[in-house]
This record gives sequence, C-alpha cells and structure tokens, in this order.
Amino acid sequence: AQKITQTQPGMFVQEKEAVTLDCTYDTSDPSYGLFWYKQPSSGEMIFLIYQGSYDQQNATEGRYSLNFQKARKSANLVISASQLGDSAMYFCAMRESGTSYDKVIFGPGTSLSVIP
Amino acid sequence: NAGVTQTPKFQVLKTGQSMTLQCAQDMNHEYMSWYRQDPGMGLRLIHYSVGAGITDQGEVPNGYNVSRSTTEDFPLRLLSAAPSQTSVYFCASSYSGTSGAGANVLTFGAGSRLTVL
Repeated sequence: AQKITQTQPGMFVQEKEAVTLDCTYDTSDPSYGLFWYKQPSSGEMIFLIYQGSYDQQNATEGRYSLNFQKARKSANLVISASQLGDSAMYFCAMRESGTSYDKVIFGPGTSLSVIP
Repeated sequence: NAGVTQTPKFQVLKTGQSMTLQCAQDMNHEYMSWYRQDPGMGLRLIHYSVGAGITDQGEVPNGYNVSRSTTEDFPLRLLSAAPSQTSVYFCASSYSGTSGAGANVLTFGAGSRLTVL
C-alpha cells in the first residue's frame, strides 16, 4: 500500500504567486521525519526542507515552508513567490521504521510548472 | 569533496546479463540506499544499509542484491537483467539517527540510466 500520497500529478502556478503541493502519509510510528526534495529537468535531487514528528513549529527554509498537520497526517509544501526556476518535480519523503532499521521512502511526486 | 559517486551513468544490457552499479561516498555516512525511478512511480527503495555488514530490503528488492563491506561503498548487483529493470537508478547516503534535521537528509548521486533489451 502506498505510504506516501501526492494526489497532484501536475500543477501550474503563475510566476510570483504562492503554491501548495499536497502530501499525506501513513505511519503508526510515533517518531518519524518528513522531507521534501526537488528534481529539476537536469535530474539531480535537491533537499528542500525537513519536519520532525515531534517538532512543534512548522519548518521554514527561505521561500519554502512545510504545513504540518499531524492529526491529518499531512505535510504540504508551500512555495511562496514562485519563480521560473521552481519548475520541477517535487517529492515528499518520510523516514520510517523498517523491519529492522529506519529507512526513507518517497511519494510519486508532483510536477510543478511556473508560468511567466 | 566528491559526495556520492555513481558509475556507470549509462548502461545497455541484454536480457539475462549481469552487471553491478557502483556507489561510493566520502562523507562517512552510515546510511546508504538504492532507489529506482520510473515515470509516475516516484523513487522506490530497493535496498538500504545502516552500516558496514548491515543491509535490509526496501520496497522492490526482487532481482537485486547488495552488500556493504566498507562504509564508503554500496554496490547494487543485477544477477540476471530483465526488461522490467529498465529504469534510472539513484544511490543516496546520509547520517543515521532519528533526531535533528541532519539525520537522514539524503545526498544523491547523479543517477544511472539502465536499459535492458
């Protein structure tokens, strides 16, 4: 069963507008971590932001913020003031307990296109 | 500081051939992992390791073998390649642990594109 769901295969946003990329997850672990990564068309994977399950505040990194709603098991990425360079695939990821050790798994991704 | 180095970048195999994708990191990371990326599927975890001599299966381990004899290296072996293994493969590493933003923030290699005919 998919443990990380990203329901928006593709999104469009006007340049300078804000956009929210959705992510919901499924875990029974009390301790876990949530991540967002960006993959431009060049193919490299770039870490954007991290939220720990016990963190009281929503994480922020520059124009990126993570809207963490623990009870709803959602960890949406908000990008403010979109730029053309934000056009990319965005992946939500989670650190969870494996059979013996912690591991990191990814969602299917959302393709974001920024329109001039 | 090279980070995570994957080789080869491109490979074409025939069905039934074997090959090894190499991955090396120079950051003294405990955690290393292999993912495959297919359109619409995101990155799926194949195998991972939390230290030398310790490996575990991920979401899609069938058809792949791994070993971790040193902290630096984590090769991925395809013993008998199948067309279904055509994909882009990423190796990634991180510090382990469950606390702090640094734990499990993955550093990725550049990827290896594998085609199995």
